[in-house]
Parts: sequence; structure tokens; C-alpha cells
Amino acid sequence: NAGVTQTPKFRVLKTGQSMTLLCAQDMNHEYMYWYRQDPGMGLRLIHYSVGEGTTAKGEVPDGYNVSRLKKQNFLLGLESAAPSQTSVYFCASRMSGSKYEQYFGPGTRLTVT
Amino acid sequence: QQQVKQSPQSLIVQKGGISIINCAYENTAFDYFPWYQQFPGKGPALLIAIRPDVSEKKEGRFTISFNKSAKQFSLHIMDSQPGDSATYFCAATFSKAAGNKLTFGGGTRVLVKP
Repeated sequence: NAGVTQTPKFRVLKTGQSMTLLCAQDMNHEYMYWYRQDPGMGLRLIHYSVGEGTTAKGEVPDGYNVSRLKKQNFLLGLESAAPSQTSVYFCASRMSGSKYEQYFGPGTRLTVT
Repeated sequence: QQQVKQSPQSLIVQKGGISIINCAYENTAFDYFPWYQQFPGKGPALLIAIRPDVSEKKEGRFTISFNKSAKQFSLHIMDSQPGDSATYFCAATFSKAAGNKLTFGGGTRVLVKP
């Protein structure tokens, strides 16, 4: 039982390049979330999904796209990376129902030069 | 627009001392207030959580105090240990929120000196 895993762990991009971050969970959770973490800003929600095939915008969605084709996977895409997207990205998941605990992955550190 | 404000941004406490972190919120619909603990290089993990029908919740050395009228809640770490050195985030959500999205505070970096 690996919990929530994220690929890759580190990545450096040049401005304008694209990439996809992969999140996978093996807990059969319905809900999945993508956050970015910046110093002093806490964790800000980018996009989230309440089930397979569904996605919704969070607090800071601009410049990102997501897909949830399979229940266990949640992909975050950057179509044209910008230096402002330099951040640490975390994926999280939780079960449906009244337990709101989110389980986080180990993060991906992305630098855009 | 940060709906949950957290202070201080950092604090240093001696081993055995008490660490206190405060959060204030604006949205009176919030009905679930968790605290997450994050060690360097790791993702956050749930530490303790409270609902507004109680004023205090204690789990081991960690206590949440909740003041509904003031729209504030705080985390107390009693008998702080070097292993408690981490970043702590308060958060809030409400049961009718789409996706039960969490709104996080800015975080507090705690350093416990031996």
C-alpha cells in the first residue's frame, strides 16, 4: 500500500516548455486534489476532482489543466511553463463521506527558468 | 484573498516549552478545522482536527482551542520536542463546500531547540 505517489520528484523546465505531473493513489479514494506550495502562501488549490471523469477549478487554476481518466490517477499539465509556476506541487486524495482527511503525496519540485 | 490567516510565520521554542500557533478565519460557514504537520521534503499529514461544537480537543501533547465567537482557533504543542520541528498549517472547510475543499493558512515553521 503505497498511498499517494507523485512523478517526477524534481523537474527543471525552460519557459514555454510543457510537462505533465502524475499523481497516483491506491486507496480507492473518490476525491483528488492538486495544490501548489509557495513560501508564506500555504497550500493553494489548483484543481480538484470528485470522481473519475470529473474535474473542477480551484483557487489558482490559470496556466494548468488536469485530467482524471482513471479513478486512481490525477494528471496536472502545464502547457506553456512560466517562471511564476516555479513551486512545489502536491497531490492529495480523500475518501468520500464525512471524513475530510486528505492524504498527501511527497511533492514535485518544479523550477521554470 | 486569504480566508484563513495564520501567525506567527515562524517560532523558536526551547525543548520542553509550549508552542502556540494562531489562526483566524472569515467564513462563518466553516465547520471543520484541521491542522497539518509537514516535515522537510515531505507532504503534509493530518495532525489533529476540531469541529465548532467543541471548544477544545486534545491528542497527546497537541491541543486545539476553538473560539467560535472570535472566529479563531489555535494549536498548542505542550512539552515541545526537537522531533516536533516542522511546518504547521491550519485549514478550514465546510460540509457543503464543493469537493470539501480545504482553505489553508500560510504556515508556521516551528524550530524546537534541544
